[in-house]
Amino acid sequence: GQNIDQPTEMTATEGAIVQINCTYQTSGFNGLFWYQQHAGEAPTFLSYNVLDGLEEKGRFSSFLSRSKGYSYLLLKELQMKDSASYLCAVMDSNYQLIWGAGTKLIIKP
Amino acid sequence: GAVVSQHPSRVICKSGTSVKIECRSLDFQATTMFWYRQFPKQSLMLMATSNEGSKATYEQGVEKDKFLINHASLTLSTLTVTSAHPEDSSFYICSARATTSENNEQFFGPGTRLTVL
Repeated sequence: GQNIDQPTEMTATEGAIVQINCTYQTSGFNGLFWYQQHAGEAPTFLSYNVLDGLEEKGRFSSFLSRSKGYSYLLLKELQMKDSASYLCAVMDSNYQLIWGAGTKLIIKP
Repeated sequence: GAVVSQHPSRVICKSGTSVKIECRSLDFQATTMFWYRQFPKQSLMLMATSNEGSKATYEQGVEKDKFLINHASLTLSTLTVTSAHPEDSSFYICSARATTSENNEQFFGPGTRLTVL
């Protein structure tokens, strides 16, 4: 079956760095997405990786290793507004998005 | 660019009534739209994939006669929850994939919170 695993919840301190991991097992691979979702709102796109390596975009970076079925989202200089759920999603061979359950990130002052 | 709207944003209805939710891509054409449902503290659950001009593809366990999907144009898809019951109360989110998308990114609407009394 298809499976996406990510931690349920993480806590970090304002100004610090946090890494959210995601491992996946899917039928085929056409890219991995990270989305941010604030409570009661729809997800917003953060990053897309289809090749191995690190993609940096401001305070956020995303890494992919296809051979290991592994990705992480790195958030630097954490701000209180970064408190949200972070969803990892993999696009399978049918171009369907397979979603992880999300990681709730709690930022403390 | 790539804005998706949903209407209404919030609806409260009585049990047994039907509710229609609209999803529009405002500045791009979307051959494919997706309908998701999300219960509190859970991840997104794909309900169906809507393709312009053809029947929607429903995920296993989703009743196609209860959740009617119509993708009448390249910018509009509608989801009708028929004979709604309290257990249908949820956050319904649509997303759209642009016909010219390079990375198959899905753009999400703001969601519709449905409460069935």
